[in-house]
This record gives sequence, structure tokens and C-alpha cells, in this order.
Amino acid sequence: DSGVTQTPKHLITATGQRVTLRCSPRSGDLSVYWYQQSLDQGLQFLIQYYNGEERAKGNILERFSAQQFPDLHSELNLSSLELGDSALYFCASSPGTAKNEKLFFGSGTQLSVL
Amino acid sequence: GENVEQHPSTLSVQEGDSAVIKCTYSDSASNYFPWYKQELGKRPQLIIDIRSNVGEKKDQRIAVTLNKTAKHFSLHITETQPEDSAVYFCAVFSGGSNYKLTFGKGTLLTVNP
Repeated sequence: DSGVTQTPKHLITATGQRVTLRCSPRSGDLSVYWYQQSLDQGLQFLIQYYNGEERAKGNILERFSAQQFPDLHSELNLSSLELGDSALYFCASSPGTAKNEKLFFGSGTQLSVL
Repeated sequence: GENVEQHPSTLSVQEGDSAVIKCTYSDSASNYFPWYKQELGKRPQLIIDIRSNVGEKKDQRIAVTLNKTAKHFSLHITETQPEDSAVYFCAVFSGGSNYKLTFGKGTLLTVNP
């Protein structure tokens, strides 16, 4: 167990809908990363938060948004869902300091858009 | 932004043989290089990492080497076992204004008994 909690584990929804994925980082970690993993694809970086503030942005679509709350948990919101958004979404956390960027991943949320 | 190339995309070896996976990166300011192992249906897990001030690091059957001048680093697995079969990802950490961890596309390693 990495200490990173993601909910839900599975999500099945329809095109055009909106979903929210939740992540609780390891105790003491200030940084949260979101990654998307599609079939035969690597880990595509979406966005990173550090202590409540956006720190880095990757290839995140405009239909997607995220935030990190004062208690450091994070949510990834996916709207106007398309079939191509079906993927495994991972959250990872780290202390977030320059000398310690070891990422610990949650078990992921498998999103299926039908 | 950082560009990470990983080769090969698939690798098949016989049990007991060695396996080598290589990654190249573009940002000379990158300073942290972890390797993750992902078994089917599971989360990626950190197996070894190296910082830019070190040329080599070893942990039992796993080792990582870094050539900062050439901007490439490699994962070496010796005496491979069937349980080593998984997808391996290299990653590169870029600090400064582009603060993020960029992953390679992964290598599917199959160890045949």
C-alpha cells in the first residue's frame, strides 16, 4: 500500500457526462500529480499541485480541471466526456521539495465512457 | 518541454539472462531519474532512482547508470526471474519553471521460464 488513496476504483458513465475523481495524498506529502494512462500508452502528465497551488501543467484538456484543497486532497473533474477519455487515471503524491520528488502512486480510477 | 525517449518498447529474455532498458532526455538541467515498474492492472511502483551527481546506483539485481554528458540513463536487471515481467517506465524530473516528472513510454519486459 502506497498510502495514496484514490476513489472510486471504477467509474462507468456516458458520453457528455461529468465525473469527479478524488485523491488523498500520503500523510505529509504536499504535492499531488495527476496522470492519464490509456491502452498501450505511457503515463501522460496532466497537472500538478503543491500545497494548494497549481505548479505545473501538462497535456490537460480544457474540459478537464483539477484543484487541491486545504486538507491537501485533490479532485480531477472531467466534463463533456468523450469515448476517448476512457483510461486509467492515476494520482501520485510526493513531498514536493527539490531534493525529494519520489512519487507514490494510488491504485488508479478506471474510467469507462460508453 | 522535456522529451524522454525509451527503448526498446518490448524486450523478451530467458530466465537468468540480463535485461537493459535505455532512456534519453533533452533537458540538461534535469537532475533526478527514477525507474518505475508496473505489473498488469497495478499501480506504478518506484524500484530505483538516481540523482545527477551520481553515475551509478545498485540495489541487489537492479542497477541504474547515468551519463549526464550524453543525457542518457539505463536500467540493468541481472539474473532475471519470471516475476520481473512487467512494464518498466523511466522518468526525468525537471525543476525550475518546468517543474514536473516526465515519463518514457514504457518497456514491456517478458521473462520466459
